Amino acid sequence: TQLLEQSPQFLSIQEGENLTVYCNSSSVFSSLQWYRQEPGEGPVLLVTVVTGGEVKKLKSLTFQFGDARKDSSLHITAAQPGDTGLYLCAGEGSSNTGKLIFGQGTTLQVKP
Amino acid sequence: SAVISQKPSRDICQRGTSLTIQCQVDSQVTMMFWYRQQPGQSLTLIATANQGSEATYESGFVIDKFPISRPNLTFSTLTVSNLSPEDSSIYLCSVEDAGVTLSTQYFGPGTRLTVL
Repeated sequence: TQLLEQSPQFLSIQEGENLTVYCNSSSVFSSLQWYRQEPGEGPVLLVTVVTGGEVKKLKSLTFQFGDARKDSSLHITAAQPGDTGLYLCAGEGSSNTGKLIFGQGTTLQVKP
Repeated sequence: SAVISQKPSRDICQRGTSLTIQCQVDSQVTMMFWYRQQPGQSLTLIATANQGSEATYESGFVIDKFPISRPNLTFSTLTVSNLSPEDSSIYLCSVEDAGVTLSTQYFGPGTRLTVL
């Protein structure tokens, strides 16, 4: 069974601080996606990474896919209160069924 | 990306009753999924809704408890049957965009169910 371990599960920081969220597995994923979810809404896709070693940027967010495609990270530079939310990583496994395996989620609170 | 709507957005139900949740997509999609999520926690896949055939359920979820319909490529329903307080949760549908080669999924806004 493929699993994704996401850490930390909770993070409370001051505006302007940097942070990194990690998503790790012992399994290889063909792609990995990051979502952000706000209360009362469904998860919204931020980025999909496909190639080992790939780095993608979305404003102050930097996403990296590990060389072996077993892990990923999300780094936020100078976090803002608007970055507050639940961050979820999800990997597409090897079964080619379209199903995603989700990490446990990271609840981020950025205080002004 | 696909636009997905769900009805109802929330409901409060009595123990022993059932709730049917609708999921409507603004374009034809092959894959539709149903998830359950406790507030602030991650998503657990319930089943894959297959058009024209029975849904494929994940371990721990059965058709008698979570019957699913998928009459066409833009619509699906999930029924949560014989409700108990343990079924209180957020239920989300998602779709895999047919125009995307990767398993990129887009989610509906969710249905918040409270069982008394």
